[in-house]
Amino acid sequence: QVQLQESGPGLVKPSGTLSLTCAVSGGSINSSNWWSWVRQPPGKGLEWIGEIYHSGSTNYNPSLKSRVTMPVDKSKNQFSLKLNSVTAADTAVYYCASKIATTLAFDYWGQGTLVTVSS
Amino acid sequence: SFELTQPPSVSVSPGQTASITCSGDRLGDKYASWYQQKPGQSPVLVVYQDNERPSGIPERFSGSNSGNTATLTISGTQAMDEADYYCQAWDINTAVFGGGTKLTVL
Repeated sequence: QVQLQESGPGLVKPSGTLSLTCAVSGGSINSSNWWSWVRQPPGKGLEWIGEIYHSGSTNYNPSLKSRVTMPVDKSKNQFSLKLNSVTAADTAVYYCASKIATTLAFDYWGQGTLVTVSS
Repeated sequence: SFELTQPPSVSVSPGQTASITCSGDRLGDKYASWYQQKPGQSPVLVVYQDNERPSGIPERFSGSNSGNTATLTISGTQAMDEADYYCQAWDINTAVFGGGTKLTVL
């Protein structure tokens, strides 16, 4: 069973870059899964940020596309999120999740990590 | 842009059937998934491809999707089903979530 674990700074300054990593265990990042980031502002709903395939192919939420990159590190079986020019509106719990290509659903989720944007 | 609309809240008595709707333009032409999220926890997939249940999800969870509306149905609702529920679908290569529905079991 795939397990996902997010890691990264819990506090980022305004205008800075938010950087998170998701470690994949119990499965290979080279599988047929797509690997996503989803965020949830405190007390609000889920927002999909984007996804990456092990080949490097990506799809991003149009509303965030200009500020997002998602590199993958196959040697470490992990993928990352980089969101630049952050503001307080980017404060949220950030989840990494996997999607089976055949089901189009997010079947495994990390525990989530809270990132606060504040000076 | 493609949007999914859910009622903010639904209430149900224990043992009764709860129905949570999700509306979007021609949603029936896409696959809908549903996620359960309890306070302080990560979302859990409860229905995918409109009406399929992942392993370990109780049979009381079922789904349907036609026209502009997808529906999550919980039969014989239990207190443990009290949670936020989110629908989700893909529009081209973008995942879209509904705003979420708080299910109260009282």
